[in-house]
Amino acid sequence: EPEVTQTPSHQVTQMGQEVILRCVPISNHLYFYWYRQILGQKVEFLVSFYNNEISEKSEIFDDQFSVERPDGSNFTLKIRSTKLEDSAMYFCASSEGVGGRQTQYFGPGTRLLVL
Amino acid sequence: GDSVTQMEGPVTLSEEAFLTINCTYTATGYPSLFWYVQYPGEGLQLLLKATKADDKGSNKGFEATYRKETTSFHLEKGSVQVSDSAVYFCALNSGYSTLTFGKGTMLLVSP
Repeated sequence: EPEVTQTPSHQVTQMGQEVILRCVPISNHLYFYWYRQILGQKVEFLVSFYNNEISEKSEIFDDQFSVERPDGSNFTLKIRSTKLEDSAMYFCASSEGVGGRQTQYFGPGTRLLVL
Repeated sequence: GDSVTQMEGPVTLSEEAFLTINCTYTATGYPSLFWYVQYPGEGLQLLLKATKADDKGSNKGFEATYRKETTSFHLEKGSVQVSDSAVYFCALNSGYSTLTFGKGTMLLVSP
């Protein structure tokens, strides 16, 4: 069964450093998403991406964040200058289409720890 | 804005007990409703969904019915197993790209 994959599974970085989180969405999916879950809190939407453009983003997704689809298979989330409060589990997801009835399929997550 | 409220956990049950995890929501329009499950060390997996009022989603013995009148989507299972121990997330999508999640409810099933 096709699945969303994410690398690395864990990342430890120093405050102020740049990190890139990588995702390979399901191959025939067209819509891609990033969510994050700070320990003990809700899963929160960060950004959605379609046709090489951001289609929606939350207030969390400020200028420190960027997303890219550098080739036909990868989808990346970059945090330019990490802060302590960026420590969280980051989930990538993808869906065939967009809209309320579409199912978003999630990857296993990358746990980011900023020291 | 949209929001999802789930019962606080952990929920601790013995094997073969009946499970209910409550979920209520606030949303504009007619959202689709989802239950996702997160097993230890793994990502979020779709468990079931319902896209309109009175629909019942079901999978692996779990069920949930979309109740528009009570804005609820409670998760139930008649007989839980140890392998059902996980965190369960209720979520909604109002028709855009954003899933809105509840805080999650941890279920612990003992033999």
